[in-house]
Amino acid sequence: EAQVTQNPRYLITVTGKKLTVTCSQNMNHEYMSWYRQDPGLGLRQIYYSMNVEVTDKGDVPEGYKVSRKEKRNFPLILESPSPNQTSLYFCASSSTTTGVHTEAFFGQGTRLTVV
Amino acid sequence: AQKVTQAQTEISVVEKEDVTLDCVYETRDTTYYLFWYKQPPSGELVFLIRRNSFDEQNEISGRYSWNFQKSTSSFNFTITASQVVDSAVYFCALSETRYSGAGSYQLTFGKGTKLSVIP
Repeated sequence: EAQVTQNPRYLITVTGKKLTVTCSQNMNHEYMSWYRQDPGLGLRQIYYSMNVEVTDKGDVPEGYKVSRKEKRNFPLILESPSPNQTSLYFCASSSTTTGVHTEAFFGQGTRLTVV
Repeated sequence: AQKVTQAQTEISVVEKEDVTLDCVYETRDTTYYLFWYKQPPSGELVFLIRRNSFDEQNEISGRYSWNFQKSTSSFNFTITASQVVDSAVYFCALSETRYSGAGSYQLTFGKGTKLSVIP
């Protein structure tokens, strides 16, 4: 079954404690990205990756890091989380091999609370 | 920069009514893609449709239909004979190609329209 898997689904952490949210896809997609969803703001892109070892900033990258060492995985790293990073996070992947951006498959979301 | 506007923050309809969700976009690209996603109360994002900028044909899928008009930069979504299960937040999104060396297919979302269908 084609899917994007995020872990954990829920996380409560304290300010400053480094954390990683994992994301894995099984569709051999080139393109992966992270979004955060906040009330009244919709989804905003944090980082994206066009392929292995190719990453770039989205609209709200401050406070986040990513890496793309393997095609299937795209972890989101918060080195020093702060309360304003409390949000619902989505990982997404899509294929771009034909030059067409196909539908994005989304993970189930990670609800992060930073206290 | 690309932008998507969903002016309706919340809509409530009575079951079996028709409802149209508006989406207006801005882009400088001639090649772009438009999407609609549904987010039910359970939270996941469900893909509904993709449309490219060269295909202005309207599309119908069951009770769902989409009206794409380049002249007004709009991609509106209509649900006919709404049902309680249609209650969700609906997002319109735009993807354009932005070349920055590596290239980009950034997906820009509107802020969403929360649809409540009352039995």
